Amino acid sequence: EVHLLESGGGLVQPGGSLRLSCTASGFTFSDSAMTWVRQGPGKGLEWVSSVGFNGASTYYADSVKGRFTISRDNSKNTLYLQMSSLRADDTALYYCAKGGFYGFSDNWGQGALVTVSS
Amino acid sequence: EVVLTQSPATLSLSPGERATLSCRASQSVDNYLAWYQQKPGQPPRLLIYDASNRATGIPARFSGSGSGTDFTLTISSLEPADFAVYYCQQRSNWPRTFGQGTKVEVK
Repeated sequence: EVHLLESGGGLVQPGGSLRLSCTASGFTFSDSAMTWVRQGPGKGLEWVSSVGFNGASTYYADSVKGRFTISRDNSKNTLYLQMSSLRADDTALYYCAKGGFYGFSDNWGQGALVTVSS
Repeated sequence: EVVLTQSPATLSLSPGERATLSCRASQSVDNYLAWYQQKPGQPPRLLIYDASNRATGIPARFSGSGSGTDFTLTISSLEPADFAVYYCQQRSNWPRTFGQGTKVEVK
């Protein structure tokens, strides 16, 4: 069974940084693209970033480009999202999802809550 | 950026009724469109991929159709568990984009 567990969320001040992690199990992580999607409070889904199976290819939403970095460590079955220069409108539940590069995201974690506030 | 517009915003129906949800793309996405279901406090669940293919374990009452710019998700007979928010998403272009969602609520 596929399992994705996000961690690293929390309260951060505007302008601060945070790193999210997503630990994967139940599938061959190194064969799968991975994606981050976020959902602001009471809002819809927003695609954030995707990374190919080996980390060589990455894509970002314009709203986070230059501030967020997606990466992965296939030896640890872990996906990361390094977030910097955080703003209030980055406040959201951040989901880690399997796939989303050449296909759609067919498995999702429960999400990590990021709150940007002074 | 491909903009996906879903309609209606809210659909009020009774169990057993047929639900028809629409997703329109600002440019052609071929058949590279998916539908997700999200219930309160839960992550999204993939229902339909590439316009008309049901994901693993999805009941046959869910069906998808369309290509190019106009897509439809149909729920043939609503079950109590189907009342939720539904999102479409495209993977034809970067950035990937979602529609704003359609809420299917109990009438």
